[in-house]
Amino acid sequence: EIVLTQSPATLSLSPGERATLSCRASQSVNSSLAWYQQKPGQAPRLLIYGASNRATDIPARFSGSGSGTDFTLTISSLEPEDFAVYYCQQRSKWPPFTFGPGTTVDIK
Amino acid sequence: QVQLQESGPGLVKPSETLSLTCIVSGGSINSSYWSWIRQPPGKGLEWIGYFYYIGNTNYNPSLKSRVSISVDTSKNQFSLKLSSVTVEDTAIYYCARINWGHDAFDIWGQGTMVTVSS
Repeated sequence: EIVLTQSPATLSLSPGERATLSCRASQSVNSSLAWYQQKPGQAPRLLIYGASNRATDIPARFSGSGSGTDFTLTISSLEPEDFAVYYCQQRSKWPPFTFGPGTTVDIK
Repeated sequence: QVQLQESGPGLVKPSETLSLTCIVSGGSINSSYWSWIRQPPGKGLEWIGYFYYIGNTNYNPSLKSRVSISVDTSKNQFSLKLSSVTVEDTAIYYCARINWGHDAFDIWGQGTMVTVSS
């Protein structure tokens, strides 16, 4: 089973700052890596798929990069609505889907 | 626009079977793969399993002995059954659509909280 590790666990930043979140896989997942945003009381929302492709209606301030085992989600300038928990998720042969433990982006 | 809505009992007794349904609206259940995902309170996400309407199913090995996902195409809905539940199965249960082109879950239901308690 491929294990995903996310760092840091918590990121404390101010609006307007840049956020850099990391996701590391225990073995290569090529580019089969997605990022989700989850706000309290809401379902996760797909932000990035294929490591670097923004999902429908996702603002350009969100970007993803990486391949193989190391991936990054960058929020170029934090908006008030961006403070949330972010999960990475990989797709591989078996089991087909696993999620990382999440990174909380909170207001400093 | 495809939307998903979960429903089912919010409280299940230990050792009993948890049963949930997800109604698909705005699209045909035959057109995609569908999945169940859960999230214990304050914790992360766990994939439970997925299915395709012709009978192709796949379950998380950690739950495989207790899980069953089935479909009712006439009602455009699918269901989850999880047997022999314990307090560890207390969670928010989400249904979601798999987008294989994205290798990701692109549409989610709002989730339903299930508590396992006597």
